[in-house]
Formats: sequence, C-alpha cells, structure tokens
Amino acid sequence: GAGVSQSPSNKVTEKGKDVELRCDPISGHTALYWYRQSLGQGLEFLIYFQGNSAPDKSGLPSDRFSAERTGGSVSTLTIQRTQQEDSAVYLCASSLGASLNYGYTFGSGTRLTVV
Amino acid sequence: GDSVTQMEGPVTLSEEAFLTINCTYTATGYPSLFWYVQYPGEGLQLLLKATKADDKGSNKGFEATYRKETTSFHLEKGSVQVSDSAVYFCALAETSGSRLTFGEGTQLTVNP
Repeated sequence: GAGVSQSPSNKVTEKGKDVELRCDPISGHTALYWYRQSLGQGLEFLIYFQGNSAPDKSGLPSDRFSAERTGGSVSTLTIQRTQQEDSAVYLCASSLGASLNYGYTFGSGTRLTVV
Repeated sequence: GDSVTQMEGPVTLSEEAFLTINCTYTATGYPSLFWYVQYPGEGLQLLLKATKADDKGSNKGFEATYRKETTSFHLEKGSVQVSDSAVYFCALAETSGSRLTFGEGTQLTVNP
C-alpha cells in the first residue's frame, strides 16, 4: 500500500483479555518497528524486525508482550492478560533498510484502552 | 542510556509568531538527531534531521542546528501558520543501531 496501515484504529478491551494489533508495512520495506506512546509520555521502543534476522525484543516491557512478523511483511503485536497500564497508542513504522538514512514511515497507530 | 528532553507544552502562538521548541539530549556517542511532527489524526512524519555536529536540518521553514557543545537541537520557525498546529517530537538515534529514542512531544497550537 501507499503507507503503513494499522488495525484496528481503536480497541477497548477488558482487563485480563488478550489483544492482537496488526501492522501492514509499506511493500518492500525490510525493517519494521513497534513503539508505544502512553499519555503524556514520549514514544517507547518495543521491538524491531529487520529482514530474516532475529528481532530485537529488548524494549518489550514484560513477557505478556510478544510480536511476530510473517513472511517478512505483516506484523502482529500480541498482549496477553492485558492490564490497565497497557493503555496507550501503539505505533508501527517501517523502513526500506536498517540504516537511519532511509527514514521511517509511521502508521496512524492503534489506541488501546484497557478497562 | 540515551535520553531526550523537550520543553514542556502545550505551546500556543498567534499566526506569524516566532517559534522555538527546546530539545536537549544525553548520549554516550555521536547520535543523529531528528524532529518528527504528528498532525491531528495522522502518523508521525519526519520533519528534519542532522547527522553530525554543526549540521543544520531544515524543511517547510523549520530549522534546527545540531549543537554538540550544548547537546541541543532546538526547533525554530520564523513565522508559524495555523497549519503548523501539531505535536512535535525530538528524537535521537544511537550510533550503533537504528532504534529512535523520542522526547515526550510538544503540542503546538497556532491561532489565526
């Protein structure tokens, strides 16, 4: 597609339920990133995929968070047993390559509310 | 670890006013520095960047100069427009990887 697409755009879930957030990167972009933006805070790095390399999971806040990227394209971020502190906007970005010279293209995000 | 600190918002200006949004950083190496902008209902967009000391990034009338001696990358625009109303994020990139570290963002509102 023309840009990075994220779905759903909004998600309200009950505490304790699992959620899946989807990201469709720009076709041909080999690098994919997930960030989280909590209210009043900056963007927090979560995870990074680059081609077929092992992902950099160092930003995942707990083992309730996981992500996968199938076929080097679509990525799914899964949060198990959601907690209220998981409420945030989850942003996905893709890039043509690992180098910062390529720049990032961000999606519009998924706003997650845990009640 | 690396960190970015932005001036607190929100910032409200009248059209054609001068804009400065302060940004300072902490890094162990020599990072690249960025300003991203998020317009209402849209994703983050790269506004400008600078990759080494004394570089000036510029775009759409906005400028920022990489000041190593003061570890700063302040965003400036001489005459803001209503269409500049958005959230602005300062960010840095580690020298050894491609992860971006962001500041908290500054909400700018420009009134006609």
